[in-house]
Amino acid sequence: IAGITQAPTSQILAAGRRMTLRCTQDMRHNAMYWYRQDLGLGLRLIHYSNTAGTTGKGEVPDGYSVSRANTDDFPLTLASAVPSQTSVYFCASSDSGAESYGYTFGSGTRLTVV
Amino acid sequence: GQNIDQPTEMTATEGAIVQINCTYQTSGFNGLFWYQQHAGEAPTFLSYNVLDGLEEKGRFSSFLSRSKGYSYLLLKELQMKDSASYLCAVMDSNYQLIWGAGTKLIIKP
Repeated sequence: IAGITQAPTSQILAAGRRMTLRCTQDMRHNAMYWYRQDLGLGLRLIHYSNTAGTTGKGEVPDGYSVSRANTDDFPLTLASAVPSQTSVYFCASSDSGAESYGYTFGSGTRLTVV
Repeated sequence: GQNIDQPTEMTATEGAIVQINCTYQTSGFNGLFWYQQHAGEAPTFLSYNVLDGLEEKGRFSSFLSRSKGYSYLLLKELQMKDSASYLCAVMDSNYQLIWGAGTKLIIKP
């Protein structure tokens, strides 16, 4: 692993099903983020975690939950998927104290809810 | 509220120069970032400005004016591979990035 790994790469999901998107980083970054990206709307923050054991809500948290049991992993769960959650999901991380380096992104998960 | 504005789409010619503008209004300021995102890929870091002025990095330069809430990304000697979306983002007082919707740059031969 180098950087951030997201899984799966893509998924077609039936509405009403539960789904967990996985995100793992090996850079020992304290902060991690989940974004969704929709055409014309740019990146919108779903949830974030400033350090292991803490999480916070972003701009569009409804229908999503996260956990941060350790530094490396930050899974995103859709409890009961709806078609409006069709999007590309990006996980990112950053190192507090090194703000000038910005965020590092995973390669994304393309989710289609039908 | 917090707001970042940049043009939706721009077109330029291979070998030319293009300037992509970004204006922002945010609660606090801890730096401005430009990212490049090719279609179907993740955003990748291009530049960071926290002080006023121009930062040059090869064919790409980024300018910041904090008093005007304004930045631009300048791309010189355009190549076809520069066709991508360019995202402007500002780090607010909570050290979180606020993102613009991105500018899609189309390069024509």
